[in-house]
Amino acid sequence: QVQLVESGGGVVQPGRSLRLSCAASGFTLNNYAMHWVRQAPGKGLEWVAVMSYDERRKYFADSVKGRFTAFRDNSKNTMYLQMNSLITEDTAVYYCARESSEYSGYDVVYYLDSWGQGTLVTVSS
Amino acid sequence: EIVLTQSPGTLSLSPGERATLSCRASPSVSSNYLTWYQQKPGQAPRLLMYGASIRATGIPDRFSGSGSGTDFTLTISRLEPEDFAVYYCQQYGTSPFTFGQGTKLEI
Repeated sequence: QVQLVESGGGVVQPGRSLRLSCAASGFTLNNYAMHWVRQAPGKGLEWVAVMSYDERRKYFADSVKGRFTAFRDNSKNTMYLQMNSLITEDTAVYYCARESSEYSGYDVVYYLDSWGQGTLVTVSS
Repeated sequence: EIVLTQSPGTLSLSPGERATLSCRASPSVSSNYLTWYQQKPGQAPRLLMYGASIRATGIPDRFSGSGSGTDFTLTISRLEPEDFAVYYCQQYGTSPFTFGQGTKLEI
């Protein structure tokens, strides 16, 4: 059974750092690209970052570029989101999600098929 | 950046009715890279459709998706009580892999 469990959220002051974890079970993390998506209180979904299966490609939303980074520990089947220089606008529930793909005719289609339950990050003085 | 605009913002319907949700992309995106998610209060999003028109595993056939280029539609043929939720479209064509702002489907 595929499962993703985020942890590491909490209350942090502006300018400080926080590291979120996403522990995977039921599949091998380094066989998949993985995403982070966040949702500010009462707001919609915002895509944050993606890391390819081999960590060679990492892309970030402009809103977090230069402040957030992503990496994984294959021995723990866990990926991480390192968040530095946090600002109040980073307050949100952070979800990790698995990217899957399949062929549709001759094309490849992509989707996020498994999500964690989310972890709340509150940036406040 | 590809901007996805969903309409309407809120859709008020009754069980048994038909719901039509729109997602407009600017600039255009391949239908291969358009997905739909459903989110209920306090829950993580759930994959509904991918490749614009392919139902995810376990999604009932009252859900259907269509569209290409700049205009995409999610249709729920006969609303069930459990369908009242927020729906988001997302594109995978180009990073950042943006979401629409969501359509709230309410009773």
